[in-house]
Amino acid sequence: SAVISQKPSRDICQRGTSLTIQCQVDSQVTMMFWYRQQPGQSLTLIATANQGSEATYESGFVIDKFPISRPNLTFSTLTVSNMSPEDSSIYLCSVETGGINEQFFGPGTRLTVL
Amino acid sequence: LAKTTQPISMDSYEGQEVNITCSHNNIATNDYITWYQQFPSQGPRFIIQGYKTKVTNEVASLFIPADRKSSTLSLPRVSLSDTAVYYCLVALNDYKLSFGAGTTVTVRA
Repeated sequence: SAVISQKPSRDICQRGTSLTIQCQVDSQVTMMFWYRQQPGQSLTLIATANQGSEATYESGFVIDKFPISRPNLTFSTLTVSNMSPEDSSIYLCSVETGGINEQFFGPGTRLTVL
Repeated sequence: LAKTTQPISMDSYEGQEVNITCSHNNIATNDYITWYQQFPSQGPRFIIQGYKTKVTNEVASLFIPADRKSSTLSLPRVSLSDTAVYYCLVALNDYKLSFGAGTTVTVRA
């Protein structure tokens, strides 16, 4: 198993600002993932981040809005840029485990945009 | 990705068995059936996975009929701490997990 931490755990931000969320894993992993969970909704995959390459974004998500960094095999950041109230969500990172369809998830970052 | 349908919510009492059925009529030959559990204010947690017949672990059992068009997650003797959202996913060995709406299970004393 992997232990995943996220910072910050929650934040309240003003419209038009940006927030960078950090994800730290206690072991080296090839693939890391970022998800969004809007209030009362299920999880939606934002992008996949592999170390040493550009992140791969899912339909509806773009790099200018959600830039991602993956500087090494244990760390990644997701930035939510030029925020609006519609960006209020829980943002979660996860890592592959090697098992089929199995990922370990971080505790999430609860973002509120005013 | 195969579409899944599961009940929005289920209520139960401590000590009872909870069975959540997920429909996945267009499941592909190579798809696996995977269940995740999400407690409030936490990320989802993998609990069980299967391809056919029955799979059991320390947390739950998963029953899959021969046609694989549905599956049933069984939680034996639930406690208050089993209150969570349970997600059924159907996918090939693919990192792109697609979460549906999930089933909110509420266990009462």
